[in-house]
Amino acid sequence: DVKVTQSSRYLVKRTGEKVFLECVQDMDHENMFWYRQDPGLGLRLIYFSYDVKMKEKGDIPEGYSVSREKKERFSLILESASTNQTSMYLCASSFRESPLHFGNGTRLTVT
Amino acid sequence: AQSVAQPEDQVNVAEGNPLTVKCTYSVSGNPYLFWYVQYPNRGLQFLLKYITGDNLVKGSYGFEAEFNKSQTSFHLKKPSALVSDSALYFCAVTPLFKAAGNKLTFGGGTRVLVKP
Repeated sequence: DVKVTQSSRYLVKRTGEKVFLECVQDMDHENMFWYRQDPGLGLRLIYFSYDVKMKEKGDIPEGYSVSREKKERFSLILESASTNQTSMYLCASSFRESPLHFGNGTRLTVT
Repeated sequence: AQSVAQPEDQVNVAEGNPLTVKCTYSVSGNPYLFWYVQYPNRGLQFLLKYITGDNLVKGSYGFEAEFNKSQTSFHLKKPSALVSDSALYFCAVTPLFKAAGNKLTFGGGTRVLVKP
């Protein structure tokens, strides 16, 4: 069974801090994604990656960057956290067009 | 650009009654459609997908969905709801010609509450 692991379940950070959210998948999937989930807005795509060292902007990339140095790991970086980045962050992976497998999410609060 | 609308923020249903969660979509070309479910404090779990073929798709936990091309809809259904079906449901779409990239657009979600 595919496992997508997000390193933190809850995070509390201060405005201006640099924040790293880590995601690891164990099924050798090429595709990896970072979404943020907000009530009433559903999931919005921040960044995605189709291969190691490749990254593409999603619908709301502003204020975020990503890193994919190894196939199994996809990191989301908030360069300078702001209160409007308080949200639930979901990582997902997939093999081509197969259904996405999601991690359990990281609930980030920026104060 | 693709989009998904889930017109109901919440659906309330009595246990044993039929459940329907509505979804309409907009996409270039043919759609590749999904339903996911999210239980409290968990990530999303795949329920079912439509790619081509029979308009009625069967999925996990007794759920099914009906694809209607003329109405650009993909409504989720369950003939007899259970209390354990109470969760947040998301519809998602991507253009079929871009399916390999799997860049999904999600709806806003519909909360389902099944009362005993």
